Amino acid sequence: AQSVAQPEDQVNVAEGNPLTVKCTYSVSGNPYLFWYVQYPNRGLQFLLKYITGDNLVKGSYGFEAEFNKSQTSFHLKKPSALVSDSALYFCAVRDIRDSWGKLQFGAGTQVVVTP
Amino acid sequence: NAGVTQTPKFQVLKTGQSMTLQCAQDMNHEYMSWYRQDPGMGLRLIHYSVGAGITDQGEVPNGYNVSRSTTEDFPLRLLSAAPSQTSVYFCASSLTGPANNEQFFGPGTRLTVL
Repeated sequence: AQSVAQPEDQVNVAEGNPLTVKCTYSVSGNPYLFWYVQYPNRGLQFLLKYITGDNLVKGSYGFEAEFNKSQTSFHLKKPSALVSDSALYFCAVRDIRDSWGKLQFGAGTQVVVTP
Repeated sequence: NAGVTQTPKFQVLKTGQSMTLQCAQDMNHEYMSWYRQDPGMGLRLIHYSVGAGITDQGEVPNGYNVSRSTTEDFPLRLLSAAPSQTSVYFCASSLTGPANNEQFFGPGTRLTVL
């Protein structure tokens, strides 16, 4: 079985400061990892994914994430947060052996960026 | 190109009533899925489809039916609504499986069952 943990319900950061949203995962085989963002009253939007290759993945809106196999983590980062980054962020994982790729989502982390 | 559309946006049902949540996409995506979103639980997969005529169960399928008669449409049916089905429902699609392709999500349907 696969699972995802987002240990923080909420992350508060001042505008201009670095932002980190944590994610750890558990799969039997090798993982495919994703980050999605949800703005209020909207559906989820894709940010970035790790499939294979470079452990540092760059995505939309200046976000990046680092895959760490030994720590089974895939933390989302942004060097300088904006007020407009305030949203709900979801990490998701899939075992590559699952041919039709049912994703397991974490519970979500609310990011609040204050001016 | 409208992407993924869902109707209605809001719905209130009484226990025991039935209804269908509509989902359509105009991107010629093979893969479509339904999720429910509940506070503190993230998104949970209800049903999914890998193409017209092919559907399968996800993590929480009980109380829901789906069909996929065309590539574009993937309706979700609640046969006898229960208060436990109060949730926000999202439809999503992707070119193939969501494994290595981003999913495109609709705006959601907020359902309340009294």
